[in-house]
Amino acid sequence: NAGVTQTPKFQVLKTGQSMTLQCAQDMNHEYMSWYRQDPGMGLRLIHYSVGAGITDQGEVPNGYNVSRSTTEDFPLRLLSAAPSQTSVYFCASSATNEKLFFGSGTQLSVL
Amino acid sequence: AQSVTQLGSHVSVSEGALVLLRCNYSSSVPPYLFWYVQYPNQGLQLLLKYTSAATLVKGINGFEAEFKKSETSFHLTKPSAHMSDAAEYFCAVSKNNQGGKLIFGQGTELSVKP
Repeated sequence: NAGVTQTPKFQVLKTGQSMTLQCAQDMNHEYMSWYRQDPGMGLRLIHYSVGAGITDQGEVPNGYNVSRSTTEDFPLRLLSAAPSQTSVYFCASSATNEKLFFGSGTQLSVL
Repeated sequence: AQSVTQLGSHVSVSEGALVLLRCNYSSSVPPYLFWYVQYPNQGLQLLLKYTSAATLVKGINGFEAEFKKSETSFHLTKPSAHMSDAAEYFCAVSKNNQGGKLIFGQGTELSVKP
């Protein structure tokens, strides 16, 4: 079982560049979310979705866009990368409120 | 607003000793509470969860946590630490019916000395 798949695993961007972090799940989960992890700050919610076509902002949404056209996919777009967006990004999915399944993460550096 | 505070960013114990990782929460409604573990270079895995059933919750790998409403706490314990327990541990809270929308604490890194 693949679970939650994130690509790429590593990425280096220059300030101002745009890119999309991919996330796919094969468990038919309704809920999907994006978190960023920074040292000493735990994980902070960027955006989440409760189903195809429905998204909402989390704690730190600025500079990021999401869309959910299918149940399986939930890409995260960085519109104009900034050094403050250097972080490790995790995608997660869940069928209910009770357990999140996390991907293995994307380590992003913005120079 | 909900929030989670983990006391101690780093805890070190000897192998075989008690593990105690502290978590306090703030929530205006009955919360769902979770402990997740992250091993190096991996994503997070669920250790255990409290969802308003029994206040003492048992999880995987011998961990358990007790929900204490009067103290707004959900501390994680394990009677005897193993070397393989070395990891970062996160406490998280969510409201009912908000799947995928967790508020995480800052994390506690557990080191286990031989």
